[in-house]
This record gives sequence, C-alpha cells and structure tokens, in this order.
Amino acid sequence: DAGVTQSPTHLIKTRGQHVTLRCSPISGHKSVSWYQQVLGQGPQFIFQYYEKEERGRGNFPDRFSARQFPNYSSELNVNALLLGDSALYLCASSLGGAKNIQYFGAGTRLSVL
Amino acid sequence: GQQLNQSPQSMFIQEGEDVSMNCTSSSIFNTWLWYKQEPGEGPVLLIALYKAGELTSNGRLTAQFGITRKDSFLNISASIPSDVGIYFCAGQPQGSQGNLIFGKGTKLSVKP
Repeated sequence: DAGVTQSPTHLIKTRGQHVTLRCSPISGHKSVSWYQQVLGQGPQFIFQYYEKEERGRGNFPDRFSARQFPNYSSELNVNALLLGDSALYLCASSLGGAKNIQYFGAGTRLSVL
Repeated sequence: GQQLNQSPQSMFIQEGEDVSMNCTSSSIFNTWLWYKQEPGEGPVLLIALYKAGELTSNGRLTAQFGITRKDSFLNISASIPSDVGIYFCAGQPQGSQGNLIFGKGTKLSVKP
C-alpha cells in the first residue's frame, strides 16, 4: 500500500516567488496536515484539513494557504517567498478520528535563494 | 512556535547500551506520540499513547504516558547501529483539533 506521497521532492525558488506543494494521503485517510521543519528543529504545525474543511491553523502568516480536494489530496501554497521559508515541508495524513495518528510523507525540501 | 521540552538533545552510546529520553510540557496532552526521523525522510511513527499511565512496547522500544499528562519517556533497550537517527516526541494538546506539537528531537548515535 502506498504511504503519504509528496511532490516535488526538492524545489529551488527565489525570493518573492510563489510555490505550490502537493500531497496525496494514505488511501482511506480523510485528514491532511502540513508542517514546516527547519533544520535542527521539530516540525511546526501549519494547517490541518478534514473532509475539505480547514480544521486548524498554526501561527504562520497569511502568505501560507492550503486546500484539500474531493479526493482528499492537498496543496500547500506559499506566496512572496522569504529566505526564512527555506525548510522541509511535511505532509501527514490521518483517519481524522479521536485517535489522531498522523503518518508522514518524506517531505518537500524547499530552498529559497 | 510552541515546542515540547525534549532531552537530551543528543546521545552518543555504545552498541548494546540502553537509551532513555523524555519530553515535558507545561500543558496537558491527550495523546503522546514518538517518531524517528532519518536523513532525507519524514518522521516514522514508533509508539502512540492515549491514556495517562499507559506503558506500551514496540520490540526493544518502550514508552510511557506520564500520569500528570504533561510528560512522556521513551526507552530503547540493547541499542543497535540501525537505531541511529533523530527521535521526536509529539503531543496533541487538550482541546486541540488534532494538530501535533513536537519536541526539538534527540539525536542518537550508536558506536558499533
């Protein structure tokens, strides 16, 4: 069975550009969460979507947005990129129930120059 | 952003030794999870804990959900070289919709 898949695996952008990252959850999972992991730190929560509705939002600026599609895949968009947005962006999927076990993809490594 | 207090930050041990790491929080958590991350990969779930006092094992790994619901520990017995990686604790705060708060990680190095 396929796990959480993310694309692309690596991305290089320049300041001011925008980026779209994509995530396909584990089959049967209805919830997708996005995290930012800066080198040397643990992942930081950005968004959670369940059944196409935003369920939670972390402390990130409005330049960050996301959406979930009817097939439960998700996109994370970041506008007006800053150097500090360079990080590993992780997607996690879960069933969305009370026992919210989240399974992570391998991430997208974003470098902003 | 908010992070859990995870210690130690790094460990250098000999193969065969036991390892212990822990996480603490100032607030109550409903769920504690332990993940392992290797270079170039996402975190992989090791153990999930749902009730205060719960003690759960997964092979050589054992984790406990603290009775105050504000802490958790992970033990690894008889370490082997493939245990190398960064171990993260993660918790779901009481009243949250499902977002996880992570520790900064414990980097484990094992000498053969």
